[in-house]
Amino acid sequence: KQEVTQIPAALSVPEGENLVLNCSFTDSAIYNLQWFRQDPGKGLTSLLLIQSSQREQTSGRLNASLDKSSGRSTLYIAASQPGDSATYLCAVTQGAQKLVFGQGTRLTINP
Amino acid sequence: GAGVSQSPSNKVTEKGKDVELRCDPISGHTALYWYRQSLGQGLEFLIYFQGNSAPDKSGLPSDRFSAERTGGSVSTLTIQRTQQEDSAVYLCASRPPGGAENTEAFFGQGTRLTVV
Repeated sequence: KQEVTQIPAALSVPEGENLVLNCSFTDSAIYNLQWFRQDPGKGLTSLLLIQSSQREQTSGRLNASLDKSSGRSTLYIAASQPGDSATYLCAVTQGAQKLVFGQGTRLTINP
Repeated sequence: GAGVSQSPSNKVTEKGKDVELRCDPISGHTALYWYRQSLGQGLEFLIYFQGNSAPDKSGLPSDRFSAERTGGSVSTLTIQRTQQEDSAVYLCASRPPGGAENTEAFFGQGTRLTVV
């Protein structure tokens, strides 16, 4: 059974810092990995999709990497801003196209 | 519409009543998912529809939960005889046709269900 783990569960950093969020998964037979952002009381916003054949994807200040063989992904956020405060979720798509989610990292950027 | 639309956004119901939650996926999306997010918990898979194939119901927690998708578009999640433990945010997502590898899932804003 696929298990997705996100570390840390919560992170608080001052504005302007670069930071890394971690995601690990136990079964490397995935189609892709997706990073989402969730604001309090809201749904999920897709940030980046990395296909299983890719190593990384970039969107603005965000860079996500994928090492499928070791079951790891990282989300790098450059020059963090208070507006980046949210919960970040990673999810893998596997057989039958189910998304399996981690528990999320609650990120707080302090002005 | 531009995104996945869910209604109602909030629902308060009395224990024992039935509720229906609606999801309008992005037009043309063939895959549709329902997830549940309980307070402080991760996202729990409930059910998955793909085109005209039989749905994957393996995540439904009990026989009080059912879902249908009419005409390959709108989906309704029904919870019968609601219990307090059913209180959660119910999220719907859709995915366009194409290979599983390169298609993103897009989520709605969710329906917050409170059973009192």
